Amino acid sequence: AQSVTQLGSHVSVSEGALVLLRCNYSSSVPPYLFWYVQYPNQGLQLLLKYTSAATLVKGINGFEAEFKKSETSFHLTKPSAHMRDAAEYFCAVSEQTGANNLFFGTGTRLTVIP
Amino acid sequence: ETGVTQSPTHLIKTRGQQVTLRCSSQSGHNTVSWYQQALGQGPQFIFQYYKEEENGRGNFPPRFSGLQFPNYSSELNVNALELDDSALYLCASSLVDRNYGYTFGSGTRLTVV
Repeated sequence: AQSVTQLGSHVSVSEGALVLLRCNYSSSVPPYLFWYVQYPNQGLQLLLKYTSAATLVKGINGFEAEFKKSETSFHLTKPSAHMRDAAEYFCAVSEQTGANNLFFGTGTRLTVIP
Repeated sequence: ETGVTQSPTHLIKTRGQQVTLRCSSQSGHNTVSWYQQALGQGPQFIFQYYKEEENGRGNFPPRFSGLQFPNYSSELNVNALELDDSALYLCASSLVDRNYGYTFGSGTRLTVV
């Protein structure tokens, strides 16, 4: 069974500070992992994805995430937060075989303080 | 390239009524999935269609049904609406190759009163 845990429903950082959003997954098979961002009243936009190639994945808007199998983690980072990064972030997992639907975490709301 | 478009953007229905939500997939995508996102929650998988057939289903009752058309557009139908059906309904399209990832629409906000 697939599941995702996002630690911290709300994270606040100062503009220019490091952003770290945590995601741990549970999967009985090698997973694919995704981070999506959702701005108010909008759908989900793909930030980045891990599909069993390089463990350090670079995405859009300066975000990156590292797949750590030993820790079952896929944390999202950005070296310097910008005001436009304020949004809801979702981590998701899917299987590499069988059904390919996404299992989402409950989300982390990022606030950027000027 | 066009993205995923959903209609309507908002609607209000009364408990017990039926509703149809529509989705136009991104050009070239042959798989469509529907998700329900309750307020303050992550999206929950409803079902997926590929080649006009249901290709997977989440933990939703049969009153949630769908269609995929030859042009890859899709509908989500919900019968006998309940108050708990109030949510943002998201459509996502992709290619059958799961490496590709999903493109999501902006959603339909359904309120059941």
